Parts: sequence; structure tokens; C-alpha cells
Amino acid sequence: NAGVTQTPKFQVLKTGQSMTLQCAQDMNHEYMSWYRQDPGMGLRLIHYSVGAGITDQGEVPNGYNVSRSTTEDFPLRLLSAAPSQTSVYFCASSLGLAGRWVSTDTQYFGPGTRLTVL
Amino acid sequence: TQLLEQSPQFLSIQEGENLTVYCNSSSVFSSLQWYRQEPGEGPVLLVTVVTGGEVKKLKRLTFQFGDARKDSSLHITAAQPGDTGLYLCAGAQSGGSNYKLTFGKGTLLTVNP
Repeated sequence: NAGVTQTPKFQVLKTGQSMTLQCAQDMNHEYMSWYRQDPGMGLRLIHYSVGAGITDQGEVPNGYNVSRSTTEDFPLRLLSAAPSQTSVYFCASSLGLAGRWVSTDTQYFGPGTRLTVL
Repeated sequence: TQLLEQSPQFLSIQEGENLTVYCNSSSVFSSLQWYRQEPGEGPVLLVTVVTGGEVKKLKRLTFQFGDARKDSSLHITAAQPGDTGLYLCAGAQSGGSNYKLTFGKGTLLTVNP
């Protein structure tokens, strides 16, 4: 298994540009999520999904969209990039159970995407 | 308001020393996880604790969940340079289908040879 994969590894955008961060997992996990990690702020949840077709907002959703058309993929879209969105973005997945997140499940994280918005 | 407070924020020690990292909150958690993150990589789960007072050992690492399930500690015995990394605690609160995993800001550990 490849686990959780993310592309690209690095990206530089200009203010106002849009882009999609890709995330895929091959473990047949129901639960997928996106975090951003900023110095001194820890990991903050952006959006999450309990299964294909079901998404919900996390702690910091503004400026980001997600969709989950398949179990494997969970892309994160930046609609109009702003310098405040400069961060490292991590995708994570966990097994889940019947459309619910299980708190004791292992969260498997991808290697991250380092995004800079100028 | 930070729900999970980790201390210390930074820790630099010599190889062979012992250390303890703390994760504290005023909230009760149904479970708590510890992750380690190395530079340029995503966090990797070390352990999950569920029961108040629970102690788990992973080689030289000892994890404890407080009796009231509001705090946790990570103790490393005879630290090695390979233990260097960012240690994150993450607490889960019950909420049905709501995702409520909250991360602390982390403790950056450097073990010098």
C-alpha cells in the first residue's frame, strides 16, 4: 500500500490564483481530513469527510472547498489564494465505521504540501 | 483559547538523559493520542490511551493518561538522537459523527549526541 499520497510537494501561488491540492489513499478508509500546520499554531482542521459524498467543515474552513466523489480521493481547493493561506497542508485518513469517525482509529497522514502565497 | 496545552514548547537535551513532556487541558477527553513528526513529513501515531490512569510503554517511551482523562504525559528514558522530532498530543471528545480531534501545539525535542 502507498498509504496517503499528496501532490504537489511544493507550490508557489500569486494572490488571487486558485489551485487544487490532491490527496489519495489506498487503504479503503472512510474518514479523510485536511489540516494546515502553521508555526506556533499546531495542526488545525480545515474540512473532513466521513465517506463518499459527505463532507463537513472543520475549525478553519474559510477560503477552502472540498468534495469527495470517491472513497480514495479528497481534493482541497483554494478558491482565491491569499498570503494568509501560506502554510503546510496535511491530508489524513482513518478507517472509520459506518459513516462515523472513530476516535481511537489511527490517523494516517500524508507527507504534506508546502504552499506559499505571494 | 488553546484546548490542549503542551509543555515545554522546546526541549534540547543530551543523549542518555531522561525527559517528560506534558499535555494538559481543562476538558475531559474520551481518548488521547501521541504523534511524532519529523521534519518534512507528516505526523506518525505513537500510541492511543483510552482509560483514565492508563499507562502504556513503547520501548523507552512511557505514556500515561490522567485519572480524570484531562491530561497526559510522555516520558522518554535514555533519549537518543533518533528521538528528535516534534511530539504532538491530540485529544478526542465524544460527539457522534462530529470530528473532534484537537491537537496541541507540540513539543520540539532535540537530542544532541
